[in-house]
Amino acid sequence: DAKTTQPTSMDCAEGRAANLPCNHSTISGNEYVYWYRQIHSQGPQYIIHGLKNNETNEMASLIITEDRKSSTLILPHATLRDTAVYYCIVRVNFGNEKLTFGTGTRLTIIP
Amino acid sequence: NAGVMQNPRHLVRRRGQEARLRCSPMKGHSHVYWYRQLPEEGLKFMVYLQKENIIDESGMPKERFSAEFPKEGPSILRIQQVVRGDSAAYFCASSPDVGNEQYFGPGTRLTVT
Repeated sequence: DAKTTQPTSMDCAEGRAANLPCNHSTISGNEYVYWYRQIHSQGPQYIIHGLKNNETNEMASLIITEDRKSSTLILPHATLRDTAVYYCIVRVNFGNEKLTFGTGTRLTIIP
Repeated sequence: NAGVMQNPRHLVRRRGQEARLRCSPMKGHSHVYWYRQLPEEGLKFMVYLQKENIIDESGMPKERFSAEFPKEGPSILRIQQVVRGDSAAYFCASSPDVGNEQYFGPGTRLTVT
């Protein structure tokens, strides 16, 4: 799986949009971009994934650049409960089912 | 629809004892994954199982660790002769099929004294 690079930590004011970047410059054509988060010491929570089109669900939006070398996870109206470590993971959807977690971005929402 | 269930949530074992961690996948999910998170470290993949089959055990330590997912009942991660270095949070995830997102359980925190 391609390697990803994320900032170590970020702060965001409560109520504002949180934009979390991820670089995956070696991504191949059949690899998807997945986002998970881990709140404190709970189990990781799936957020969203995409291949090349932008995606939106009830939790977040995923913007993938046209060359697919980077992406941004957007939490539109951050709340204190969004404080967590966010992981960007690149994975082929068939043939390699394991998720390879990096160090992620520690997002802190400031009241 | 209940999520992934893991038990026990906390487990304390003395060195040399056996630890058995259980995982019940979400209803309708036949794929199970185990991950380990050592203190202050990231999550590491251990093993991927389907019913009665181990598909990928590339992340499993070569000795003392085993996993199963029988036709009936939960998936079991078994650690024999535990050592202090086995102290970690063990997370189970499940998915309905290949190529799907994985849903994680709350984890089992193993402490070896």
